[in-house]
Amino acid sequence: EVQLVQSGAEVKKPGESLQISCQASGYIFTHHYIAWVRQRPGKGLEWMGVFYPGDSDTRYNPSFQGQVTISADKSTSTAYLQWRSLKASDTAVYYCARFHLPYAFDVWGQGTMVTVSS
Amino acid sequence: EIVLTQSPGTLSLSPGERATLSCRASQSVTNNYLAWYQQKPGQAPRLLVYGVSNRATGIPGKFSGSGSGTDFTLTINRLDPEDFAVYYCHQYGTSPQTFGQGTRVEIK
Repeated sequence: EVQLVQSGAEVKKPGESLQISCQASGYIFTHHYIAWVRQRPGKGLEWMGVFYPGDSDTRYNPSFQGQVTISADKSTSTAYLQWRSLKASDTAVYYCARFHLPYAFDVWGQGTMVTVSS
Repeated sequence: EIVLTQSPGTLSLSPGERATLSCRASQSVTNNYLAWYQQKPGQAPRLLVYGVSNRATGIPGKFSGSGSGTDFTLTINRLDPEDFAVYYCHQYGTSPQTFGQGTRVEIK
């Protein structure tokens, strides 16, 4: 079974750093992009960017460029989303999803809730 | 970036009725790379349709997608209680990929 399992909820203070993870199983990790999607409380879905573990090709939404870093560890089939300095406006649920053409986002992680509050 | 505008914002219908959801793009969607997702409270989105009209694995035939260019439609026949949710369209042919703002289908 193809699965993406994300790390647990986080509560952080503004200015702190954070890395959340998304572990893939059931398929060849290096053959498909992993995307990250933000959903602020009560709001819609926002595409943050994609990462291709096969060659580390990374594409960011300009709205998120420089604010986050997307990466992956092929040896553990795990993708990461990282912040250097969190803001209150980063409070959201973050989803990872497998992306491959023409199927769009066919498998999703369960989401990681990130709360940033002083 | 391509802006996707979904209408209506909320659709109030009774079980058994048909739902028709619209998604309009600000420019033509490349290669008809247009998908629809269903999201229920507290859950991750679920892929329903990809490439405008192809149902994802395990999705029943009551869900159908159509359209081309800039105008797309998701139709849900004979609404069941579990179909009441929020639906998003998503274009993935042009970077940055974008989502519509969502249509909530609620019980009338």
